Order: sequence, then structure tokens, then C-alpha cells
Amino acid sequence: DAEITQSPRHKITETGRQVTLACHQTWNHNNMFWYRQDLGHGLRLIHYSYGVQDTNKGEVSDGYSVSRSNTEDLPLTLESAASSQTSVYFCASSGDGDYYEQYFGPGTRLTVT
Amino acid sequence: KNEVEQSPQNLTAQEGEFITINCSYSVGISALHWLQQHPGGGIVSLFMLSSGKKKHGRLIATINIQEKHSSLHITASHPRDSAVYICAVTPSGGTSYGKLTFGQGTILTVHP
Repeated sequence: DAEITQSPRHKITETGRQVTLACHQTWNHNNMFWYRQDLGHGLRLIHYSYGVQDTNKGEVSDGYSVSRSNTEDLPLTLESAASSQTSVYFCASSGDGDYYEQYFGPGTRLTVT
Repeated sequence: KNEVEQSPQNLTAQEGEFITINCSYSVGISALHWLQQHPGGGIVSLFMLSSGKKKHGRLIATINIQEKHSSLHITASHPRDSAVYICAVTPSGGTSYGKLTFGQGTILTVHP
């Protein structure tokens, strides 16, 4: 069965370190998204991609970057982790067009100390 | 003001009760989504609507495009329905292609 996975599921890191969160999907979807979920803010879009070599900034992109070298993967990198980036991160993918459901990964809980 | 507003923010019910969660939005949309998130769990899509009404088991979702409003109903609620329910919309327009704007979520607790 097709799926979307994230790793690691839990991560503790120190302020200033570079961190990469992995997202892998086997749906063969062109569209992939990274969100963060925080109490009081709900889900917010960090970065998204519509296909290989395509990346775009979302509403809370400062301090984050993504790259898309193949269809299956969209890793999210925190260049220099900050305590404000402590959050739960969700990756999602969807088919082309506005009328497709988004399939979410299980989430990564990141703590920056 | 958020583009997507849900009410209530918290909802407590007894098993068997009929439950309604509301979602209002202020932008033109291509589609509206209802999502479910169990405590500590992932997010799953329950419905995607662009018009009318959809039903899956005990869950019913309706949308009124003219009034920019959607409702999620749960009939014969059960403790396993306890979760956060999130309304999200795909705004219409080329720059919003495929992207979701989320409501704050409604925390539902169903007691046995």
C-alpha cells in the first residue's frame, strides 16, 4: 500500500545545530507540503513543492529550507535550530489539482533545547 | 481575523449524542476538507467537499458555498470519536493551487 513516512518521529537537539527531517511518500504525488503544528496557531505551511526541482515558501518559512531531487522525498532542514522551532512537524502529499485529498505523515516531534 | 473559523473550540458530549461542528470561511474556495487528529496521533482526511453533502458511516459533512459555511455532524457519538476535528480550505486562485488554510480545530471529548 502507498504511504507517507517521516523520520525521525522524535528528535531533541540543541540551539544552533542543523537538523534535517525526512519525508518519503510512495503515492507518486507531485505535490508535497511541510507544516508545523503549535498550540494556539494550529497548522501552518512552511514550504511546499509541486514537483522535482520546484520549491516554494509558505507563511512561516524563515529558518527552514527544503530541496526536491526526486518525486518521493522532501527533506526539511532547520539551518540553525532555535527554541521557537520546537513543534510538531507534519509532511503531506497530494495529487495534482485542487480536488485531491492531502495525505499526512505521522509527524515528527522536535524539541530544541 | 482568521480566514477559517471553527466553532465551538471545545465540545464535550455523552455517548450517543448528536454532534455538530461548524466551520466558516471568508475566502473563495475550490474545496473544503474535514480532518481528524487523535491525541498524539497523525492527521487523516475525513471528507473533501466542493458542494452539497457527503456521508461516511456516522459522519456527515455539508457545505453551503453561498453562505461560506460547512458543518460536520456525528450521529450516535462514541468515545472513540474523541479527537481534534480540523476544517481546512483550498482557496481558489492560481497562487493557492493545492494549498490548505486551516481552522484552529475543535477538541471533541465523548464520555461513556
